[in-house]
Amino acid sequence: KNEVEQSPQNLTAQEGEFITINCSYSVGISALHWLQQHPGGGIVSLFMLSSGKKKHGRLIATINIQEKHSSLHITASHPRDSAVYICAVEARSQGNLIFGKGTKLSVKP
Amino acid sequence: GAGVSQSPSNKVTEKGKDVELRCDPISGHTALYWYRQSLGQGLEFLIYFQGNSAPDKSGLPSDRFSAERTGGSVSTLTIQRTQQEDSAVYLCASSLELFSPLHFGNGTRLTVT
Repeated sequence: KNEVEQSPQNLTAQEGEFITINCSYSVGISALHWLQQHPGGGIVSLFMLSSGKKKHGRLIATINIQEKHSSLHITASHPRDSAVYICAVEARSQGNLIFGKGTKLSVKP
Repeated sequence: GAGVSQSPSNKVTEKGKDVELRCDPISGHTALYWYRQSLGQGLEFLIYFQGNSAPDKSGLPSDRFSAERTGGSVSTLTIQRTQQEDSAVYLCASSLELFSPLHFGNGTRLTVT
């Protein structure tokens, strides 16, 4: 079993839909990252969380440390949101990142 | 250039040759990370540096891989006697310190023929 599990693996949505991507992990963590990988391959860090909730524009990330679960929400989705979204955790007291396999999101106009 | 810079952006090499990949982190960032992404695969963590020190090298795929960082700045990832399975995009990221937001470079696409 992978230490970081994402769901769904693939997601197709219509423009305007509310989207949720889930991440569950099994190790103790110091922080959790949500990354966005563009179709061209570039990677952008969206959020880094250690507790609670963060919001940036139409993106919201939440984390529940007790349940070892995080969600990434996209409100009013747009075709430009089409990308692979990757959850990664920093194991406690270590610097290595453990990655989920990513969720490929496609938003249709 | 305030971002993470990687060079070269593309590298084609023959099997058996050595290659060096370079990463210039954002100035002042103490933590530096190397990852790779093979075709159709997810991201794979390789190694991280805190300053010039790499506390955990267990992510390196084989002893043909090595990395160093000097002056708390530039890092090089060296692959000796390259194999075709080394073909991947090698990504570098830096952060102000451990457990801080990551800033990624554009990667080096390595093709071993």
